[in-house]
Amino acid sequence: GDQVEQSPSALSLHEGTGSALRCNFTTTMRAVQWFRKNSRGSLINLFYLASGTKENGRLKSAFDSKERYSTLHIRDAQLEDSGTYFCAAENSGYNKLTFGKGTVLLVSP
Amino acid sequence: DPKIIQKPKYLVAVTGSEKILICEQYLGHNAMYWYRQSAKKPLEFMFSYSYQKLMDNQTASSRFQPQSSKKNHLDLQITALKPDDSATYFCASSQERDWGNEQYFGPGTRLTVL
Repeated sequence: GDQVEQSPSALSLHEGTGSALRCNFTTTMRAVQWFRKNSRGSLINLFYLASGTKENGRLKSAFDSKERYSTLHIRDAQLEDSGTYFCAAENSGYNKLTFGKGTVLLVSP
Repeated sequence: DPKIIQKPKYLVAVTGSEKILICEQYLGHNAMYWYRQSAKKPLEFMFSYSYQKLMDNQTASSRFQPQSSKKNHLDLQITALKPDDSATYFCASSQERDWGNEQYFGPGTRLTVL
């Protein structure tokens, strides 16, 4: 079955607001990456975490291997944040990423 | 400047033909990967290479053959193409293959098989 369950599948935000995306894992993962797919289809690296939390500007991510989840928080959303966000996790020890199905984020004025 | 180049960006092929997808990375990485994203499915891991050697193969079909002619190249040859092979193929790389190494992705090649 699916090892990475990402939610929500779609999210609408008004500019200036915030929300959280979540990935639940059905097995213990060693590390997680978060990506945003831009309008040209390229995957932009947002975070790599093996544990704990990281913050970059208006984005903050957390990863709890024991509790089997990771989150991506977006605050003060801007129009350019629109896109599809993916989490991908690794459990084999050999960097074979398993991806979630993605969250389509639309930020509107 | 793009650090991972994939060529071509779009590719249309007829059933039964053979195509090669090109990937070059200029990050100085020692590990390279191929992933595939079919319609309505998540990206799926296909292959990993480390120092130009095949390490992992999660593709059931032998029609998919990676080729590494140089350390920073990992091409993907697909033979006897089928419509089900239509997908976007992403190349990725990381410093080393072990966990703890962040992966970076190329822009993808969108393959359509008619």
